[in-house]
Amino acid sequence: DAGVTQSPTHLIKTRGQHVTLRCSPISGHKSVSWYQQVLGQGPQFIFQYYEKEERGRGNFPDRFSARQFPNYSSELNVNALLLGDSALYLCASSWGGPDTQYFGPGTRLTVL
Amino acid sequence: GQQVMQIPQYQHVQEGEDFTTYCNSSTTLSNIQWYKQRPGGHPVFLIQLVKSGEVKKQKRLTFQFGEAKKNSSLHITATQTTDVGTYFCARDSSASKIIFGSGTRLSIRP
Repeated sequence: DAGVTQSPTHLIKTRGQHVTLRCSPISGHKSVSWYQQVLGQGPQFIFQYYEKEERGRGNFPDRFSARQFPNYSSELNVNALLLGDSALYLCASSWGGPDTQYFGPGTRLTVL
Repeated sequence: GQQVMQIPQYQHVQEGEDFTTYCNSSTTLSNIQWYKQRPGGHPVFLIQLVKSGEVKKQKRLTFQFGEAKKNSSLHITATQTTDVGTYFCARDSSASKIIFGSGTRLSIRP
């Protein structure tokens, strides 16, 4: 069985640009969460979606947005990129709610 | 208020020595989860503890949840080079989000 997949694996952008990151959950999982992990720190919660609706939001600016599609895949969008947005962006899926999170390999975003 | 504190931040041990990381919260936890992240990898779920005083074992790993459900520990007996990585505890909170500790990075001298 395929695990959580994310694309792209690496991305380089410049300040002010926008980026879209994609995630496909484990088959049967209906919840997708997004995390930002800066080097040397633990993952920081950005969003959780369940059944295509936002269920939770972390302390991130409005430049960050996300959505979940009918097939439960998800996109994370970040506008007006800043240098500080450089991080590993992790997607995690679960059956629903704040239960065991199964993480994807992440997208490494570098903002120059 | 909702943070979980992990200590130590780093631990460097000789292969074969034991290792322990601690996770503390100022508030009562409904559960605690533990994850391992290898260098360059992503967090991988290890276990979830729910009951007060719960102890669970996975081979050389022993996980404990405090009686007051405010702290937890992960103990590795006789570390091996495959144990290298960062160990995170995590709690769930309101608004359906998981809050991760800062992690303990384990390195091992062969």
